[in-house]
Amino acid sequence: QSVLTQPPSASGTPGQRVTISCSGSPSNIGSNNNLNWYQQLPGTAPKLLIYRHDQRPSGVPDRFTGSKSGTSASLAISGLQSEDEGDYYCAAWDDSLSGLIFGGGTKLTVL
Amino acid sequence: QVQLVESGGGAVQPGRSLRLSCAASGFTFSGYGMHWVRQAPGKGLEWVAVISYDGIKQYSADSVKGRFTISRDNSKNTLYLQMNSLRVEDTAFYFCARDRGYTGNYGIDNWGQGTLVTVSS
Repeated sequence: QSVLTQPPSASGTPGQRVTISCSGSPSNIGSNNNLNWYQQLPGTAPKLLIYRHDQRPSGVPDRFTGSKSGTSASLAISGLQSEDEGDYYCAAWDDSLSGLIFGGGTKLTVL
Repeated sequence: QVQLVESGGGAVQPGRSLRLSCAASGFTFSGYGMHWVRQAPGKGLEWVAVISYDGIKQYSADSVKGRFTISRDNSKNTLYLQMNSLRVEDTAFYFCARDRGYTGNYGIDNWGQGTLVTVSS
């Protein structure tokens, strides 16, 4: 059971906007600004999409945006494309566990 | 560019040991915290362990504590994971990953391609 809670699945049609939530606690999302989002396409290693809850690494399209409020965070994907289909994970350092924790992952399907 | 290449995976019987290595290049290895993360086939990501830039601080997940040891050799730009008393449930792809910071608690910004460890009798 993950300490960060994500919906197991999400879906949308091409061009739509989809949001994936990540719920945590004061010891992780609520304690620092190091909430990250990762995209894992089928058969590949994860890739950093968002760091510090709303920052995009170079090369990541601005269709991907992150936000945080209290002990929760969200990843929004606008202008959905078929190549966005894959698994999305949130992750944060947990001060109580002294470890990195991942959400259970959300499988995004583009209909 | 950042390159992380894992090696040492394979098939092993329960109770045996295995050591994974991760060769790093394209950045100043000694300036970053490093992680191991695993993923059982068809499952989600599970953090395994982290080590600080200088190797002094290490933390690991409860599921591997006392069995797995993370270490690094900055002179060789290499990260290690010594896995002892392996269990069937340790079967997974093991990813080497770089942290954004030197302490290891900023989050992962680069990943290797992974190496598969299969524990089976």
